[in-house]
Amino acid sequence: GQNIDQPTEMTATEGAIVQINCTYQTSGFNGLFWYQQHAGEAPTFLSYNVLDGLEEKGRFSSFLSRSKGYSYLLLKELQMKDSASYLCAVTGAGSYQLTFGKGTKLSVIP
Amino acid sequence: GAVVSQHPSRVICKSGTSVKIECRSLDFQATTMFWYRQFPKKSLMLMATSNEGSKATYEQGVEKDKFLINHASLTLSTLTVTSAHPEDSSFYICSARVGRGNTEAFFGQGTRLTVV
Repeated sequence: GQNIDQPTEMTATEGAIVQINCTYQTSGFNGLFWYQQHAGEAPTFLSYNVLDGLEEKGRFSSFLSRSKGYSYLLLKELQMKDSASYLCAVTGAGSYQLTFGKGTKLSVIP
Repeated sequence: GAVVSQHPSRVICKSGTSVKIECRSLDFQATTMFWYRQFPKKSLMLMATSNEGSKATYEQGVEKDKFLINHASLTLSTLTVTSAHPEDSSFYICSARVGRGNTEAFFGQGTRLTVV
């Protein structure tokens, strides 16, 4: 089976940096995804990591350590529109099904 | 990115009736589509994997006779909620991947189902 943990809620200030952590336990591993979801909307893709290390894409970066079963999403220069839920999702070995964590609700305050 | 269109975005139906939700890949062919259900303040729960030309694979605990999935073509999968009850009220989302391999999944806009 797969178990994914991430904090339920976080609050950060506009312009600041925030790190959202995700730990996972899976029977096999075939990649980790981060999605952003605004309330009432479908998730949108942010990043994909399959190898250890940091992937940077504009204001967003994602890090993966397979040996530790750990990932984080780093958001820089926070904007009010970044207030959303951030979902960590993994795929198991030989599978393309996404298993989602419960999501982290990020609130950006002025 | 690829576009997945889901329709309708919102539907209200009476208890006992059936509702069909469509999921279309607009600019690519999707051999496999996934159907998720999301409860308020909860994460996406995979309901079933829809395979073109064959029977869907349901996750444990999902009633296949209640949630009928049909994937008749490479661009269309449908989810029919049969004999709907108020507890079926939820946000249903489909997704599809481009090509084979572990590529990113694109999601439809979601369908808010309310059963009264």
